[in-house]
Amino acid sequence: DAEITQSPRHKITETGRQVTLACHQTWNHNNMFWYRQDLGHGLRLIHYSYGVQDTNKGEVSDGYSVSRSNTEDLPLTLESAASSQTSVYFCASSEQGRETGELFFGEGSRLTVL
Amino acid sequence: GQNIDQPTEMTATEGAIVQINCTYQTSGFNGLFWYQQHAGEAPTFLSYNVLDGLEEKGRFSSFLSRSKGYSYLLLKELQMKDSASYLCAAMDSNYQLIWGAGTKLIIKP
Repeated sequence: DAEITQSPRHKITETGRQVTLACHQTWNHNNMFWYRQDLGHGLRLIHYSYGVQDTNKGEVSDGYSVSRSNTEDLPLTLESAASSQTSVYFCASSEQGRETGELFFGEGSRLTVL
Repeated sequence: GQNIDQPTEMTATEGAIVQINCTYQTSGFNGLFWYQQHAGEAPTFLSYNVLDGLEEKGRFSSFLSRSKGYSYLLLKELQMKDSASYLCAAMDSNYQLIWGAGTKLIIKP
């Protein structure tokens, strides 16, 4: 069965360290997204991609970067982790077409920055 | 600005019916989505409305009024497994999803 997987599922790091969260999907979807979820907030979009070599900034992109070298993967990098980036991160994918709002989510990566 | 409002928490009884409301303000509109999220898990897609009216899918139904910027999710014959957060999201003119903070639904026996 097709799926979307994230790793690591749990990560504790220190302020200033670089962290990369992996996301791999086997749906063959063109669209991939990274969100963060914090208590009291809706899902907030960090970065997204509509295909290979395409990346776009979301509403909370400061301090994060992504790259899309193939269809399956969209790794999220925190260049210099800050305590404000402690959160649960979800990767998601959807079929081709920007109007497609049916997202398939990974199980999430819980990041703690000390 | 863009905004989605939904109640923070609701409580209902097993076997009953509950309606979760959502109001939205977006720059343009390309559809209203509902997702279910169990504690500690990923959100999963429930429904999509782009035209006014009611869409029924088993025990779950979703309603949309575009003129009022309003939607609701109706859950019938509640089961304990329906205890979860329900996320409302509206798609704006740039095809970006704007998410509400979610409604935590507590089901009591």
